[in-house]
Amino acid sequence: DAKTTQPTSMDCAEGRAANLPCNHSTISGNEYVYWYRQIHSQGPQYIIHGLKNNETNEMASLIITEDRKSSTLILPHATLRDTAVYYCIVRARNTGTASKLTFGTGTRLQVTL
Amino acid sequence: GAVVSQHPSRVICKSGTSVKIECRSLDFQATTMFWYRQFPKQSLMLMATSNEGSKATYEQGVEKDKFLINHASLTLSTLTVTSAHPEDSSFYICSARPGAENTEAFFGQGTRLTVV
Repeated sequence: DAKTTQPTSMDCAEGRAANLPCNHSTISGNEYVYWYRQIHSQGPQYIIHGLKNNETNEMASLIITEDRKSSTLILPHATLRDTAVYYCIVRARNTGTASKLTFGTGTRLQVTL
Repeated sequence: GAVVSQHPSRVICKSGTSVKIECRSLDFQATTMFWYRQFPKQSLMLMATSNEGSKATYEQGVEKDKFLINHASLTLSTLTVTSAHPEDSSFYICSARPGAENTEAFFGQGTRLTVV
């Protein structure tokens, strides 16, 4: 699976949008971009994933550049409960239930008052 | 979404004893489950892939005789830390994916193991 690069940490004011970038310049055509987050002392939580089109769900939006070499996770109105480590992961499709997720160091997002 | 449950959430054991951690998929069947370990301020590191009805696949550097994995049913995998030592103290997390292509993985809430 392709390697990803994320900033170590970011701050965001509560109520503002949090934009978390991820570089995956070696992504191949059959790889999806997944985002997970981990709140302190909990298991990771799935947020969103996409292939090449932008995606939106009730938690966040995912913007993938046209060349697919980078993406941005957007939390439109960050709250204190969004403080967590956010992981950007690329995983190949068509690999079945046995395909594993490889976690990088992620971005530690701190939402402040 | 699908639910993966771990038990116990927290355990303290004496050095030299063994500890069993359970991982259950509550509303789906999982032929494959994954076990991760996370040390403080570090990322999740995959330890092994648990396969229902067959032997687990361990990542390089993970001792299979120390971390025993049993996946006896489609909804339950167990990780036993044998002869635990203080350096085994960590946060252990399991995950499973309910479908095949492109579906997200779901994670248990984790088990905090402290060996004293």
